[in-house]
Amino acid sequence: AQKITQTQPGMFVQEKEAVTLDCTYDTSDPSYGLFWYKQPSSGEMIFLIYQGSYDQQNATEGRYSLNFQKARKSANLVISASQLGDSAMYFCAMKAGTASKLTFGTGTRLQVTL
Amino acid sequence: GAGVSQSPSNKVTEKGKDVELRCDPISGHTALYWYRQSLGQGLEFLIYFQGNSAPDKSGLPSDRFSAERTGGSVSTLTIQRTQQEDSAVYLCASSSRQGRVTGELFFGEGSRLTVL
Repeated sequence: AQKITQTQPGMFVQEKEAVTLDCTYDTSDPSYGLFWYKQPSSGEMIFLIYQGSYDQQNATEGRYSLNFQKARKSANLVISASQLGDSAMYFCAMKAGTASKLTFGTGTRLQVTL
Repeated sequence: GAGVSQSPSNKVTEKGKDVELRCDPISGHTALYWYRQSLGQGLEFLIYFQGNSAPDKSGLPSDRFSAERTGGSVSTLTIQRTQQEDSAVYLCASSSRQGRVTGELFFGEGSRLTVL
């Protein structure tokens, strides 16, 4: 069975600071992909970044980077230079092996303050 | 538009009534997903369609829930004899195997269902 755990229900960060959102996962399949999505108050789900289990480098997309620690089964999202528009819910998700579905964590609500 | 389109955006119904929620995926996307998001919760997988293959219905919570995908495009999620616990946002997503990221899902804006 696949499981995603996000232990931070809420986080605060000051504008222009960096923040790390935690995600741990569990799967017995050696082939998997890890995803982060952002959900603003408008409700849409916005894809941010992807990391494959066999990728040698940590994924980066602009201000987003994924701190992938395979041995610890963690895939933390790092947002650098936070902006007010980063305030949203952030979901970590995983797709493993031949499974068809993305399994989501419970999310972390990030609030960026002045 | 070019994104995933869902309708209605909001639906209020009485307990016991049937509801239909519609999803129009991105053109050319072969995979279509339905998820449910209750207030303050994560996304709960409901059902997955891929091309002409049999759908993965493993997430449907009860036999009151069903979904169809006609012609490999538009999908309808039907909830019969709605209950108050069915109140949630129902999100549809589509995916293309030709996408730049394996398994990346593109989501619609959701249908908010309220059962009174």
